[in-house]
Amino acid sequence: QSALTQPASVSGSPGQSITISCTGTRSDVGHYNYVSWYQQHPGKAPKLMISEVSSRPSGVSNRFSGSKSGNTASLTISGLQTEDEADYYCSSYTGNSLYVFGTGTKVTVL
Amino acid sequence: QVQLVQSGAEVKKPGASVKVSCKSSGYTFTSYHMHWVRQAPGQGPEWMGIINRSGSTTTYAQKLQGRVTMTRDTSTSTDHMELSSLRSEDTAVYYCVRDSGKYGGSHWGQGTLVTVSS
Repeated sequence: QSALTQPASVSGSPGQSITISCTGTRSDVGHYNYVSWYQQHPGKAPKLMISEVSSRPSGVSNRFSGSKSGNTASLTISGLQTEDEADYYCSSYTGNSLYVFGTGTKVTVL
Repeated sequence: QVQLVQSGAEVKKPGASVKVSCKSSGYTFTSYHMHWVRQAPGQGPEWMGIINRSGSTTTYAQKLQGRVTMTRDTSTSTDHMELSSLRSEDTAVYYCVRDSGKYGGSHWGQGTLVTVSS
């Protein structure tokens, strides 16, 4: 199972909106509405930000939103803040109880 | 509150095995599956496998088939992940991750660093 493809880096200024893409195949992202997004700060464990493509767990800011079109899922961060600077990873269910992570995107707040 | 507390760091020689434990508290242990995820230094997370709520079924990533074994002890609310025939490429932080019930990992352990070195 190959990793999902994400851009290596995305940047934006405070207050702006940015979007991170996560491209898979018809067998994973394109087939299941089970894409999750995680935020990871240096030295910390990842934190779930979005599940099932667009569902925000309790406590996650509504500045984070998810969507999907075809084989590509997206995470949008609106009103970018300095604390949003982190690595972001997508993950998808691929069937038969299997999962795969994305390659990761480093978000920089300029 | 949900807590996943993992065992401490390990240093192993190539060819050896390592067993990492993960003790859960703050929720009904048998209501959620548990994933194991590892992250090599400077790399992204890699999904290793999942054990179901009762511990009766496991599914492993293809690349680890034959080397990884996940078990759970419902009497102590503890999950275990054993990796055998260790190689230098297995050096990573290993996490237990409670399933969210929505095909994601909602709660992560603090991580266990496993270093494989001769």
